[in-house]
Amino acid sequence: GNSVTQMEGPVTLSEEAFLTINCTYTATGYPSLFWYVQYPGEGLQLLLKATKADDKGSNKGFEATYRKETTSFHLEKGSVQVSDSAVYFCALISGGYNKLIFGAGTRLAVHP
Amino acid sequence: DAGVIQSPRHEVTEMGQEVTLRCKPISGHNSLFWYRQTMMRGLELLIYFNNNVPIDDSGMPEDRFSAKMPNASFSTLKIQPSEPRDSAVYFCASSLGQVDGYTFGSGTRLTVV
Repeated sequence: GNSVTQMEGPVTLSEEAFLTINCTYTATGYPSLFWYVQYPGEGLQLLLKATKADDKGSNKGFEATYRKETTSFHLEKGSVQVSDSAVYFCALISGGYNKLIFGAGTRLAVHP
Repeated sequence: DAGVIQSPRHEVTEMGQEVTLRCKPISGHNSLFWYRQTMMRGLELLIYFNNNVPIDDSGMPEDRFSAKMPNASFSTLKIQPSEPRDSAVYFCASSLGQVDGYTFGSGTRLTVV
């Protein structure tokens, strides 16, 4: 079946450090891939997406590239800020009915 | 658009009471999803609807949980009777299509004492 695996947290970084959160997936067909972010006390927000191989999604300085050959969609940011502290979820949709499959989430803590 | 609207934002109830959570999806979206989030179990899909029809309710934990979608603009999740282990944040989300992802509501924080 379809599944998403992402690196365990928490990830703790200093401000302006480089961020990578790894995400790999298993899916039939050609899934659409997403990163969601959840700030403390809030719901999940779509951060970025990619719908076909080699697409790069980007938003707010975050990027992720859809790599079909390695079934990966790693999240990166060149310089994190304290305000980026949140939980990040990798997810995919494959097949009918738009069912979104989430990874377990990775908590990021950025310190000044 | 106001986004996905959930009510109430917070609910505190006594064990054994009936609880009803409400969701208004984004107009035009044809899929609706109910999730539960806890520290122990993370994000769990409870049930989802497509064009107001329940497609998969395999995530509903027990018969105490039920969900309805009487029309395209409204859904409810009911717990009867409620138990302390039902305490969680319940999210509703809606979607238009595979390439769009979901839009989540702000959630309902349920506390059963």
